[in-house]
Amino acid sequence: EPEVTQTPSHQVTQMGQEVILRCVPISNHLYFYWYRQILGQKVEFLVSFYNNEISEKSEIFDDQFSVERPDGSNFTLKIRSTKLEDSAMYFCASSETGLAGLFHEQYFGPGTRLTVT
Amino acid sequence: AQSVTQLDSQVPVFEEAPVELRCNYSSSVSVYLFWYVQYPNQGLQLLLKYLSGSTLVKGINGFEAEFNKSQTSFHLRKPSVHISDTAEYFCAVEAGGYNKLIFGAGTRLAVHP
Repeated sequence: EPEVTQTPSHQVTQMGQEVILRCVPISNHLYFYWYRQILGQKVEFLVSFYNNEISEKSEIFDDQFSVERPDGSNFTLKIRSTKLEDSAMYFCASSETGLAGLFHEQYFGPGTRLTVT
Repeated sequence: AQSVTQLDSQVPVFEEAPVELRCNYSSSVSVYLFWYVQYPNQGLQLLLKYLSGSTLVKGINGFEAEFNKSQTSFHLRKPSVHISDTAEYFCAVEAGGYNKLIFGAGTRLAVHP
């Protein structure tokens, strides 16, 4: 069964460093998402992406964050200058479509645990 | 704005007992509702969803949930739990956006022998 994969499973970085979290969505999916979960808190939407541009982003997704689909298979989340509060589990998800009123299930990856020291 | 409240952070239960995990939502527009399960060290897996139609929806692993519009609730139930049901369960809502999911804080279900 096709699945969303994420690498690395755990990333440790120093405050101020740039990190790139990688995701490989399911191959025929067109919509991609990033969510994060700070330890002990709820899963929060960060951004959705379609046709090489951001569809929607939350207030969390500030100028420190960017997303990219550099090739036909990868979807990346970049944090330019990490802060301690960026420590969280980051989940990638993909769906066949994301059009309003036409629901398609989002398939989630296993997550990348980011630890900023 | 939409929000989701999961009323119990932890629910301990004995094996083969019934369980109900509670979820309430708030939204000014029609919603889609979901329950996801997260097993240790794994991603989020969709258990079931309500999009429209029958208010009682059945999902995988014997779970079901009932959409109650007047009470703005979407409680998850299982008549007899197994040890393997031990996991974190998340209620989520999607309302009017491009599949953006709003999650509750999660309920940790701990099934004891």
